[in-house]
Amino acid sequence: GNSVTQMEGPVTLSEEAFLTINCTYTATGYPSLFWYVQYPGEGLQLLLKATKADDKGSNKGFEATYRKETTSFHLEKGSVQVSDSAVYFCALSRPSNTGKLIFGQGTTLQVKP
Amino acid sequence: NAGVTQTPKFQVLKTGQSMTLQCAQDMNHNSMYWYRQDPGMGLRLIYYSASEGTTDKGEVPNGYNVSRLNKREFSLRLESAAPSQTSVYFCANQQGSGETQYFGPGTRLLVL
Repeated sequence: GNSVTQMEGPVTLSEEAFLTINCTYTATGYPSLFWYVQYPGEGLQLLLKATKADDKGSNKGFEATYRKETTSFHLEKGSVQVSDSAVYFCALSRPSNTGKLIFGQGTTLQVKP
Repeated sequence: NAGVTQTPKFQVLKTGQSMTLQCAQDMNHNSMYWYRQDPGMGLRLIYYSASEGTTDKGEVPNGYNVSRLNKREFSLRLESAAPSQTSVYFCANQQGSGETQYFGPGTRLLVL
């Protein structure tokens, strides 16, 4: 079946550190891949996405590259800020009429000053 | 524009009570979704509606019913609440397959 696996958290970093959150997926066909972010007390919002192999999604200094050969979509940021503290979810959507998202379990990031 | 709105924000129920969670959108998107979020489990799809008047089960539909009476609104009903339904519930919408899903702020439900 289709699934998404994220690295377990929490991840604790100092401000300006480099961030990587690993995400791997299992899916048939060519899914679209997403990273969503959830700030405390809020709903999820899209951070970035990629719809085909080798695409790079980017937003707010975050990047992720769709790697079909390794079935991965790792999230990276060169220099994190305290305001990046949140829960990050990797998700996939199979090409179909339903558009349903399958989420990973989420990774909590805490950035300390 | 409000996007996706949910009411109530927080609710406490006793086991066996019923309630309806409301979700509305002003984005004119075709698809709407209900998820629940539990610690360490990500978001799990309860029900979805690909278009007005249609609904389908997701991953965890037991104990829930939904209604999509018009394009704007998609409600989730718990007929007889159980403690296992304590969770945070999110509604989302989407224009089409592969497009971005937009989430509401969530409803935090506690069943005693």
